[in-house]
Amino acid sequence: AQSVTQPDIHITVSEGASLELRCNYSYGATPYLFWYVQSPGQGLQLLLKYFSGDTLVQGIKGFEAEFKRSQSSFNLRKPSVHWSDAAEYFCAASRGGATNKLIFGTGTLLAVQP
Amino acid sequence: SQTIHQWPATLVQPVGSPLSLECTVEGTSNPNLYWYRQAAGRGLQLLFYSVGIGQISSEVPQNLSASRPQDRQFILSSKKLLLSDSGFYLCAWSFPPGQSATNEKLFFGSGTQLSVL
Repeated sequence: AQSVTQPDIHITVSEGASLELRCNYSYGATPYLFWYVQSPGQGLQLLLKYFSGDTLVQGIKGFEAEFKRSQSSFNLRKPSVHWSDAAEYFCAASRGGATNKLIFGTGTLLAVQP
Repeated sequence: SQTIHQWPATLVQPVGSPLSLECTVEGTSNPNLYWYRQAAGRGLQLLFYSVGIGQISSEVPQNLSASRPQDRQFILSSKKLLLSDSGFYLCAWSFPPGQSATNEKLFFGSGTQLSVL
């Protein structure tokens, strides 16, 4: 069955420190991959997406993610975290096509210490 | 430009009461529409999706139902709410296949926080 796994439920980093959020997927073939951010009580905002081509994807707010086929991973990174980055982050995958269903990971809650 | 509206933003309902959450999309036609739920401490779960008027697919068996009476209107309903229906409900849309190069991208509403007491 198709699935997306985010092994870290909760991560705390200090402001200015680097960040890496892990995501692994299980699909029959390489899916489309996404990272979304959800601030408290709000909807989801797309940070970045990978469809094909360059395996290092740049997104908004200084985030980037690297697709590694051999590891079935799509980890999200940021070199220097800001306090405003505190939120919940979701990795998601889709096969596209007519229905375009997104399968989400369980999310990683990021806390930022001053 | 396209916009998505979802209401209400918060809702507190007693167990056994009915539910109706509404979602509308503007600025596009024949979108794919989706209802997701985020339960406390869990990830986002796809509940329903629709590729056209009157066409609803359910992803998981549950106490909820969905309807699409108009092209850009998607309604989530329940006849009798359960405590386990509490959660954060998100409506989303995407372009249908062939209409956009980015039809894989989902656009989300701002969500409805439902508390069943």
